[in-house]
Amino acid sequence: AQSVSQHNHHVILSEAASLELGCNYSYGGTVNLFWYVQYPGQHLQLLLKYFSGDPLVKGIKGFEAEFIKSKFSFNLRKPSVQWSDTAEYFCAVNADSGYSTLTFGKGTMLLVSP
Amino acid sequence: DSGVTQTPKHLITATGQRVTLRCSPRSGDLSVYWYQQSLDQGLQFLIQYYNGEERAKGNILERFSAQQFPDLHSELNLSSLELGDSALYFCASSLRDSSYNEQFFGPGTRLTVL
Repeated sequence: AQSVSQHNHHVILSEAASLELGCNYSYGGTVNLFWYVQYPGQHLQLLLKYFSGDPLVKGIKGFEAEFIKSKFSFNLRKPSVQWSDTAEYFCAVNADSGYSTLTFGKGTMLLVSP
Repeated sequence: DSGVTQTPKHLITATGQRVTLRCSPRSGDLSVYWYQQSLDQGLQFLIQYYNGEERAKGNILERFSAQQFPDLHSELNLSSLELGDSALYFCASSLRDSSYNEQFFGPGTRLTVL
C-alpha cells in the first residue's frame, strides 16, 4: 500500500518569505499527486494536481509543485507567502490502479506572521 | 462552499453509543468518500461508494458501516463508540469514480465521544 510523508508538521514564516513544503510518497508504480489546503474553519480544497506531462505544475494562489520521479517527491513551493496563506497543507497520492481513493500525508501547518 | 453538505456539524455522545453522520454530495456527483481526521492518524480514507455500490474500503473498523442511497446521499454509521473514535469525519464527492475527477470536501462532522 502506498504511504505519504510530509517532512514538517509545523512551519512558521514571515510574510514575503519563500515556502517549500516537502512531500514524499512510497509507491513504485504510476501515481497521481495532489496538494490540498485547509484554511482555518474551512473545508479542504484542491491547490494543484499532477497526472502526467510537465513535472512542474501550477495551482491556484501562486502555488506550484514539482514532481521528481527519481526522488518520489512532490514538493510544494511559493516564492512569497502572504498572511492569508496560513493554513494546513496536505499532500495526497492516488496509485493509478483503477481506484480513485486518496492517501494523505499528515499535513503541515503553516503559520505566516505579518 | 464546496457544494458538499454534512450534518450534523458537531456531535457529542457517550462511549458505547451509536451515531449516524450524513453527507449530501454535490449535485451530479456519483462518488462519495468518507475520511477520518485525527491528531495521531491524520486524514485516513475509510470507504467509498459509487452510484449506490461500495467501491473501495480503507482503514474502516468493523464497528463502522456506510451506505449510499438512491438519491446519492450517504450515511456513515458508527457503533459501540470508543473514546478513540473522537475525530473529524469528512465526506467528499466527485463526478465519477476516477482520480482524474477532483474530490470536493464537505465541512466535516466533529465527533466527540465522552
